[in-house]
Amino acid sequence: TQLLEQSPQFLSIQEGENLTVYCNSSSVFSSLQWYRQEPGEGPVLLVTVVTGGEVKKLKRLTFQFGDARKDSSLHITAAQPGDTGLYLCAGLNRDDKIIFGKGTRLHILP
Amino acid sequence: NAGVTQTPKFRILKIGQSMTLQCTQDMNHNYMYWYRQDPGMGLKLIYYSVGAGITDKGEVPNGYNVSRSTTEDFPLRLELAAPSQTSVYFCASGLVVRNEQFFGPGTRLTVL
Repeated sequence: TQLLEQSPQFLSIQEGENLTVYCNSSSVFSSLQWYRQEPGEGPVLLVTVVTGGEVKKLKRLTFQFGDARKDSSLHITAAQPGDTGLYLCAGLNRDDKIIFGKGTRLHILP
Repeated sequence: NAGVTQTPKFRILKIGQSMTLQCTQDMNHNYMYWYRQDPGMGLKLIYYSVGAGITDKGEVPNGYNVSRSTTEDFPLRLELAAPSQTSVYFCASGLVVRNEQFFGPGTRLTVL
């Protein structure tokens, strides 16, 4: 069974700080997506990375796909309270099945 | 466009009761999915469909059934509700498997 391990599970930091969360697997994925989910709502796509080593930026968020396409990271610069939420990574495996990680619950303190 | 809509938003069932969770999308997407989200457990795929008339099992299909008679609708059926089915259920749709999934607002189900 392919697994996506996300770390840390919980993170609470002050507004203005930087942070990085991780999504790791022992398996190769053809693409990887990051979603953000707010309480009482469904997940919303932030980014899709496809190429090993790819880096994508979305304002203060930087996403990187590992060279071997087994892992990914999300870096947030100068975190703001609006960044609070559950961050989920989802990988597309060789069977064209999407596997979700358990998520990192991020809380930004004002 | 309304996107993906789910009904009901909340439901409490007694053990052994049955119910259908409704899901409709108006984006003409081929792919539709049902997930359950337990506290601290992320999303687990229950069933998915690649088009009208075609459904397939996901990671946790036991205790559930689905049908896909139209492109728009993908209802999820619970026949004999059990406490282990207490969860938040999300329906999602996408144009192709590699693209973005659009999620509905979820149905919070409690089985007592």
